[in-house]
Amino acid sequence: QSVLTQPPSVSGAPGQRVTISCTGSSSNIGAGYDVHWYQQLPGTAPKLLIYGNTNRPSGVPDRFSGSKSGTSASLAITGLQAEDEADYYCQSFDSSLSGVVFGGGTKLTVL
Amino acid sequence: EVQLVESGGGLVQPGGSLRLSCAASGFTFSSYWMTWVRQAPGKGLEWVANIDLDGSQKYYVASVKGRFTISRDNAKNSLYLQMNSLRAEDTAVYYCARDLLYSGSYWVEDAFDIWGQGTMVTVSS
Repeated sequence: QSVLTQPPSVSGAPGQRVTISCTGSSSNIGAGYDVHWYQQLPGTAPKLLIYGNTNRPSGVPDRFSGSKSGTSASLAITGLQAEDEADYYCQSFDSSLSGVVFGGGTKLTVL
Repeated sequence: EVQLVESGGGLVQPGGSLRLSCAASGFTFSSYWMTWVRQAPGKGLEWVANIDLDGSQKYYVASVKGRFTISRDNAKNSLYLQMNSLRAEDTAVYYCARDLLYSGSYWVEDAFDIWGQGTMVTVSS
């Protein structure tokens, strides 16, 4: 069981908006640690998508956005495209475990 | 081009050892904390260890403490992971990654902005 909880899967049609949740606790997200998001396309290494809850690295389309509130965070993808089909992971730090923690991952299917 | 290239993976028997390497290029290696992250077949990402700029601070996930050692050679722009007493559950793709390590609103934060392509480690008899 991952310290950060994500839905195993989400889906949406091209052009639609989808959100992926990441639920933590008072020892990680709720303690004020930032949440970061990664996209992993099939057979490739993860890619940083959002860092510091809401910031996009250079080159990441503005269709991707992040938010954080309390002990949870969310990744939103608007204008869904076939190329967005991938696994998405949230990441933070946990003070009880004294280490970096990842969510279990969410598989996005574009219908 | 900013790049990380892992090597050293392979098949090893339970109880055996393996040393992974990660060659960095295109950025000032000595200015960044570095990290190892692994992914078991069909599973999610798991942080393994990270190391500070000069190798004086090292942190590990509980499951590898005492068995794995992270190190770096800034003169060679290289990161290493020495893995001893390997177990079947260590079977995974191992990625090295660059740590942004920035100051957030409350804490110093870890986010991994550059990743290598990964190297596969299989522990089996």
